[in-house]
Amino acid sequence: GAVVSQHPSWVICKSGTSVKIECRSLDFQATTMFWYRQFPKQSLMLMATSNEGSKATYEQGVEKDKFLINHASLTLSTLTVTSAHPEDSSFYICSAVGQGYSYNEQFFGPGTRLTVL
Amino acid sequence: GQQLNQSPQSMFIQEGEDVSMNCTSSSIFNTWLWYKQDPGEGPVLLIALYKAGELTSNGRLTAQFGITRKDSFLNISASIPSDVGIYFCAGPQAGGFKTIFGAGTRLFVKA
Repeated sequence: GAVVSQHPSWVICKSGTSVKIECRSLDFQATTMFWYRQFPKQSLMLMATSNEGSKATYEQGVEKDKFLINHASLTLSTLTVTSAHPEDSSFYICSAVGQGYSYNEQFFGPGTRLTVL
Repeated sequence: GQQLNQSPQSMFIQEGEDVSMNCTSSSIFNTWLWYKQDPGEGPVLLIALYKAGELTSNGRLTAQFGITRKDSFLNISASIPSDVGIYFCAGPQAGGFKTIFGAGTRLFVKA
């Protein structure tokens, strides 16, 4: 149980285009989903917290108009990187906290590698 | 703010050796979590600790919640090549809903 998927697993796009990344909880309902960004050889950096049906809460320094988050259902959250630029290239990971699990136990997706040319 | 300090930053060991890594903080944590991240993958929860002094095992892995609630360690016995990866300690932010992660310990196992 407690499986989280992400799609796509990797994406290459041209500068200026927008990219959507999906995060799904497959066998549980996720009351909260988190979006992280990870640079090579670094730890996870929280970008935003997403609760179903409400606006995401963004961490300081993260542009909400740049990184659009939608959490329309208890099993799906999406992150859209708008007008992507090479500096947005990174590994994006989502995690989910669900009903029936301790709030402290996040289950992570496999990540999405974004490369912006 | 709260921080988690992991040591060592990296370890190079021989297959079969035991490994020990730890995580400390100047703040008290009520929960300690240990995750492993394989290259190009998301982190996977290994062990969750909820009580000071708690010692919990998961196969060859053993983790302990320090009695001061300011530290935790993770041991891996008889390491194998698939133990390679980054090990993160983590804990909930006080008064919030976020999880704080350490910088990670990178483990390399030579066969």
